[in-house]
Amino acid sequence: NAGVTQTPKFQVLKTGQSMTLQCAQDMNHNSMYWYRQDPGMGLRLIYYSASEGTTDKGEVPNGYNVSRLNKREFSLRLESAAPSQTSVYFCASSEDGSRAFFGQGTRLTVV
Amino acid sequence: AQSVTQPDIHITVSEGASLELRCNYSYGATPYLFWYVQSPGQGLQLLLKYFSGDTLVQGIKGFEAEFKRSQSSFNLRKPSVHWSDAAEYFCAVVINTNAGKSTFGDGTTLTVKP
Repeated sequence: NAGVTQTPKFQVLKTGQSMTLQCAQDMNHNSMYWYRQDPGMGLRLIYYSASEGTTDKGEVPNGYNVSRLNKREFSLRLESAAPSQTSVYFCASSEDGSRAFFGQGTRLTVV
Repeated sequence: AQSVTQPDIHITVSEGASLELRCNYSYGATPYLFWYVQSPGQGLQLLLKYFSGDTLVQGIKGFEAEFKRSQSSFNLRKPSVHWSDAAEYFCAVVINTNAGKSTFGDGTTLTVKP
C-alpha cells in the first residue's frame, strides 16, 4: 500500500546544477501537486496537474518545470538550482479535492 | 485575496490539558476544510475534514473541529493532549474541487510539556 512515493529523500546540489524530483502514486488519482515547505510559510503550491496531460502554475512556479508523464507520475525539474530553492518538497495527489495524500518529502539543499 | 490564517505560530500545553488551534479563512463561499498533522521529518497526515452537514467533525487521534460559518473559522480541539501530539498542525482549504488545490495556513507548532 505505497500511496505517494517520492525520490530522492535527500539531495545536495551546487548552484546551477539541474535535477528532477520524481513522484508516483498508485491510487489512480487524477490530480497531482508539488509543494515546497519553508519554515513559517506553510506549504506553497509550485505546480499542479488536474489530469493526465495537463499542468498549471501554482503560487511559486518560477525556476521550476513539471511533467505529467502519465496518470501515475508527476516530476518536478530544477533546470538551474539556486540557494533560494533550498527547501523541503512534497508531492501530493487527490481525487476531486476530497483530501490530499502526501509523499514523505524531499529535503533539497542548494549550496 | 484568498487566504488561510493560523494566528498562533507556537503553542505550548501541559500533557492532559485541553487544546484549541485556531484557523480562519477568507473565501466567498464555504470551502472544503481540512486539518493535517506533520511529525518531524514526515509528510502530512489528514486528521479530519469538513465538506458539509454537521458542523462538528470528529477525526483521528481524538481530535475534533468545529466549523463556524459566521466567523469563517475551523478550529481544532482536543480535550486531553498526549505527549505524542507534539507536532506541527496545518489548516487547509480546497475551493476548486476540479483541480483539488489545497491552500495551507502557515502552521502551528505544538509543544507538550510533561
